[in-house]
Amino acid sequence: RKEVEQDPGPFNVPEGATVAFNCTYSNSASQSFFWYRQDCRKEPKLLMSVYSSGNEDGRFTAQLNRASQYISLLIRDSKLSDSATYLCVVSSGNTPLVFGKGTRLSVIA
Amino acid sequence: NAGVTQTPKFRVLKTGQSMTLLCAQDMNHEYMYWYRQDPGMGLRLIHYSVGEGTTAKGEVPDGYNVSRLKKQNFLLGLESAAPSQTSVYFCASSPPQERQEAFFGQGTRLTVV
Repeated sequence: RKEVEQDPGPFNVPEGATVAFNCTYSNSASQSFFWYRQDCRKEPKLLMSVYSSGNEDGRFTAQLNRASQYISLLIRDSKLSDSATYLCVVSSGNTPLVFGKGTRLSVIA
Repeated sequence: NAGVTQTPKFRVLKTGQSMTLLCAQDMNHEYMYWYRQDPGMGLRLIHYSVGEGTTAKGEVPDGYNVSRLKKQNFLLGLESAAPSQTSVYFCASSPPQERQEAFFGQGTRLTVV
């Protein structure tokens, strides 16, 4: 089983839609969780960290379920500029970040 | 504010040639990483370093060597390039504390023919 698994998509959604991505991780000792965004032919950039209590940043909401070992990202009111690949990232203490393969989102006008 | 800088940005090598990719960061980060990204494979860790003078193997280390002689630089070497090493290489750095963001360089597109 891969350490971090994501549905590769693509998710094709109309502008204004709400879309959710899930990610599962296998290491129960994982302590840090993130969502990164990667635009085509660009480097990954941090979108948001994921905290145990869940957290929100504008149209983006991240949730963590430790019992089921999954992380989610919800995007409300999708914009064309949200089109990108979203990477689920997990770390156990001071070990290197482990990336999922990413979920591709296309927001269509 | 440079952040993480990779050199070169593009390179074409012939099979068997050697080269070194340079990663430099100006954020005084302890941790540095080299990843490769291939279509459908996501980011895979090649080698990483938790401090000056230390290196460790990642998920796909074969065919690569690294050195971290100075805290701000992390070098990735290919001694004898193979077509299977055609990829996009990303360097990243981060502080050692939990929940700290990793910053990436812009990537190096390497083609081995």
